[in-house]
Amino acid sequence: EDQVTQSPEALRLQEGESSSLNCSYTVSGLRGLFWYRQDPGKGPEFLFTLYSAGEEKEKERLKATLTKKESFLHITAPKPEDSATYLCAVLSTSGTYKYIFGTGTRLKVLA
Amino acid sequence: GAVVSQHPSRVICKSGTSVKIECRSLDFQATTMFWYRQFPKQSLMLMATSNEGSKATYEQGVEKDKFLINHASLTLSTLTVTSAHPEDSSFYICSARDLPDSEQFFGPGTRLTVL
Repeated sequence: EDQVTQSPEALRLQEGESSSLNCSYTVSGLRGLFWYRQDPGKGPEFLFTLYSAGEEKEKERLKATLTKKESFLHITAPKPEDSATYLCAVLSTSGTYKYIFGTGTRLKVLA
Repeated sequence: GAVVSQHPSRVICKSGTSVKIECRSLDFQATTMFWYRQFPKQSLMLMATSNEGSKATYEQGVEKDKFLINHASLTLSTLTVTSAHPEDSSFYICSARDLPDSEQFFGPGTRLTVL
């Protein structure tokens, strides 16, 4: 069965303290892996799409990487405004074109 | 970037009434739209998938007669919650994509409260 797991569940960082969020996946085949940011009471905001192992994408303080089993979202020198829930979603080759979501990582960056 | 809008952002209704939520892709053609429901501090739960011009495909456990979905054009999908009850109160979010392997773009969500 296709599965996506995110860790940690919650993370508190001091401003400027870099860290990484993990998204591990077990799927029959990977079509794509997607990262989103969600603020309370809002819809998820698209961040990155990764399609193949070794691929990397960057945007401001965020960098997403992909291996054959997991993806990391690296946050460099975070600021309080980076506080949000970060969601990982996977598209599998199982035949359905629906996202398999992880449960998310709640990030809090303290000033 | 691609923009998806939802209307209304908040709605309060009485038990037994019906509520319609609109989802629009503003700058791209959405061949597929999705409707999700999200409970506090939980991830998104897919309710149904709709393709333009076709009947929606509902996830197991979602009542199709209660949650009516119409995807009449490449830019508009609607979700109608019929005979709403307090247990239908939730945060409803739509998303849209153009190609099967492409990313989904999410709307801002609709907070439904049924009294």
